Amino acid sequence: QQQVKQSPQSLIVQKGGISIINCAYENTAFDYFPWYQQFPGKGPALLIAIRPDVSEKKEGRFTISFNKSAKQFSLHIMDSQPGDSATYFCAASQSRGAGNMLTFGGGTRLMVKP
Amino acid sequence: ETGVTQSPTHLIKTRGQQVTLRCSSQSGHNTVSWYQQALGQGPQFIFQYYREEENGRGNFPPRFSGLQFPNYSSELNVNALELDDSALYLCASSLVLGDTQYFGPGTRLTVL
Repeated sequence: QQQVKQSPQSLIVQKGGISIINCAYENTAFDYFPWYQQFPGKGPALLIAIRPDVSEKKEGRFTISFNKSAKQFSLHIMDSQPGDSATYFCAASQSRGAGNMLTFGGGTRLMVKP
Repeated sequence: ETGVTQSPTHLIKTRGQQVTLRCSSQSGHNTVSWYQQALGQGPQFIFQYYREEENGRGNFPPRFSGLQFPNYSSELNVNALELDDSALYLCASSLVLGDTQYFGPGTRLTVL
């Protein structure tokens, strides 16, 4: 099945805290795992992405941790800021598959309190 | 370099009507994908076009159809609109097939 399950559905974090969002997938053919950030009324914007040949990728305050054997990956936002308040989506795709379709998780609504 | 653009921004139609949504891909991008995002949910893949040919399709009925033009812009057509078609329709383009997908701002379709 081509499912990606994301948790939690919503998250409230204090300014300066760490936000952690988790995703699990089923299709072992997935080989590309991006995270998107979406503000109300806007399209999703690519935040950071990882391929399964590495277990961690860091870009600024954003880190993806990837566990291939558990088929799980997570997004960590360090020093969370009110401007990070948005909905975050994990996704997965199979780069060699027809259509290269992104399968998205259900989203996590993050609120960072000042 | 301009990003992905979509038109119109908002659209209101009645059940049974037909609608055409438009997307201009990012400069140099030859692949366009369309997604439907219902309120409070993640985007769902509709189909992808690569060099004017359909290159994959999600679980959507045939009344959802599309086109890609020689300049790589694209259209999404939906016939016989149903209330459940109310959603944000997103277009994403990528430089080459299999590359990172960059999304436009979407078209908000409301079916009454």
